[in-house]
Amino acid sequence: EPEVTQTPSHQVTQMGQEVILRCVPISNHLYFYWYRQILGQKVEFLVSFYNNEISEKSEIFDDQFSVERPDGSNFTLKIRSTKLEDSAMYFCASSELGGGGETQYFGPGTRLLVL
Amino acid sequence: SQQGEEDPQALSIQEGENATMNCSYKTSINNLQWYRQNSGRGLVHLILIRSNEREKHSGRLRVTLDTSKKSSSLLITASRAADTASYFCATAPFGGYNKLIFGAGTRLAVHP
Repeated sequence: EPEVTQTPSHQVTQMGQEVILRCVPISNHLYFYWYRQILGQKVEFLVSFYNNEISEKSEIFDDQFSVERPDGSNFTLKIRSTKLEDSAMYFCASSELGGGGETQYFGPGTRLLVL
Repeated sequence: SQQGEEDPQALSIQEGENATMNCSYKTSINNLQWYRQNSGRGLVHLILIRSNEREKHSGRLRVTLDTSKKSSSLLITASRAADTASYFCATAPFGGYNKLIFGAGTRLAVHP
């Protein structure tokens, strides 16, 4: 069964460093998302992406964050200058269609720890 | 406003018993989805119910949706120890394009 994959599974970085989290969505899906979950808290929406542009973003997704689909398979989340409060599990998700009516399939997550 | 609040926060049952988890939300929705998360792991999609549906079944799972009360329930019948996990409802707000808004989840423990 097709699945969303994410790399790395864990990343430790120093505050102020740039990190890139990578995702390979399900191959025929057109909509891509990033969410994060701070330890013990709710899963929070960050951004949705369709047709090579951001379709919606949350207040969390400030200028320190960016997303990119550099080729036909990868979808990346970049954090330019990490802060301690960026420590969280980051989930990538994809859906075949958008419009709020479709199942979103999540990857296993990347656990980011900022020291 | 908060969306997708589950109750109870924690539920402890014996194997073979049924587990019922509830979710309430505040705004109009396109659909509501239930996910499962084993400790520290990824989110596994369980079931999606659209705003014009009232009940859906998938194996041992039964989901209901009452849009007039803005609430949903997830019933797991004949629970197993392997069902031990956190369960989240996530709503796709009407007009909210594509994002999902998650609740805080119910931690289910099924004891052998």
